[in-house]
Amino acid sequence: GDSVTQMEGPVTLSEEAFLTINCTYTATGYPSLFWYVQYPGEGLQLLLKATKADDKGSNKGFEATYRKETTSFHLEKGSVQVSDSAVYFCAQRVSDSSYKLIFGSGTRLLVRP
Amino acid sequence: DVKVTQSSRYLVKRTGEKVFLECVQDMDHENMFWYRQDPGLGLRLIYFSYDVKMKEKGDIPEGYSVSREKKERFSLILESASTNQTSMYLCASSYGHPNTEAFFGQGTRLTVV
Repeated sequence: GDSVTQMEGPVTLSEEAFLTINCTYTATGYPSLFWYVQYPGEGLQLLLKATKADDKGSNKGFEATYRKETTSFHLEKGSVQVSDSAVYFCAQRVSDSSYKLIFGSGTRLLVRP
Repeated sequence: DVKVTQSSRYLVKRTGEKVFLECVQDMDHENMFWYRQDPGLGLRLIYFSYDVKMKEKGDIPEGYSVSREKKERFSLILESASTNQTSMYLCASSYGHPNTEAFFGQGTRLTVV
């Protein structure tokens, strides 16, 4: 069935380091893909999205490219800040009539000064 | 701004009680979702609704039911609460289109004792 797999955390980086969080998906059709972020004590909020192959979503210095050939949607940021410490969730919105939203297990990022 | 409001941030209930978790959205969204969030397991879909009075089971519906009598309100019901239902519960809503993101409430942390 449809699913999302993320790299396990926690990921610990120093400030200004490069970030990659891997995400792959399995889908029967062509889903839309999303990254959500959850800061401590808060709900999930959308970070970025891509709705078709080769689309690049970007926001707040984060980027992810929809790669159909590798069924991936890896999250990247060139220089992380302490304020980026949070849990990041990759998700897909299935393309059948249900439009279910399926999440990965989340990756905790800890950025040290 | 889109607002998804969950009725309680924290809830403590006794084993065997019937528990109602309420969620209200103000954006006329067709789709609404209930997830539970547990450490290491990410967000797991319990139920979702794609329109008034319409519902579909998610990945872990056992022990839960839902009600959607009005478009803006989606209720999650724990028929007889058990300790393994202690968790964070997240409600979300979205338009009924696969390219659109979901908006989340702040979550309800339920403890069953």
